[in-house]
Amino acid sequence: QLVLTQSPSASASLGASVKLTCTLSSGHSSYSIAWHQQQPEMGPRYLMKLNSDGSHTKGDGIPDRFSGSSSGAERYLTISSLQSEDEADYYCQTWGTGIQVFGGGTKLTVL
Amino acid sequence: EVQLVESGGGLVKPGESLRLSCAASGFDFSSCSMNWVRQAPGEGLEWVSYISSSSSYIYYTDSVKGRFTISRDNAKNSLYLQMNNLRAEDTAVYYCARAANSGYYSDNWGQGTLVTVSS
Repeated sequence: QLVLTQSPSASASLGASVKLTCTLSSGHSSYSIAWHQQQPEMGPRYLMKLNSDGSHTKGDGIPDRFSGSSSGAERYLTISSLQSEDEADYYCQTWGTGIQVFGGGTKLTVL
Repeated sequence: EVQLVESGGGLVKPGESLRLSCAASGFDFSSCSMNWVRQAPGEGLEWVSYISSSSSYIYYTDSVKGRFTISRDNAKNSLYLQMNNLRAEDTAVYYCARAANSGYYSDNWGQGTLVTVSS
């Protein structure tokens, strides 16, 4: 079964870096994912598509502070030089033919 | 600039129907697959349905199969979601989203429309 697992919460200080993790279920470690950001009371915003080899394609206007990487079944989103507007929920998403799955989301708090 | 504007949400009773619309602009709608994704109050994102550019391929999440119908009108740059036999658990903000060329995932999102199912 295709499942994505995310930690419910994370926190980091203003100006620091944070690395969020999305874990693919067993047997699906080669899958690509997408990362999305959802700021409070807003619709989601596409950040990037992240492949198993760590290559990624960012959406229009996404700052260089956002980057992605991969290791095995883990997919990471790193945000550097944290700003207050980065406080948001972050979702990973994956897909197969006829199915799409979202992780439960990570709520990022910027201290 | 890609714009996706949903409409048609509202308050309905269990068992009733509702039709959501999504007006697309700023891109070649007829060449793009589309998704509906929903978010229950205080919960995460849940994919609902997918339709390919020519409507040849259509998929649904299990919980809405047989009740929801996705469709599109490429001449009107519009996406639709017909929702029948609504249940309380269908209460959510429904987002229209463009699917990326390189996969089923969404690379542009609307602002959503709220559907509330309550007696």
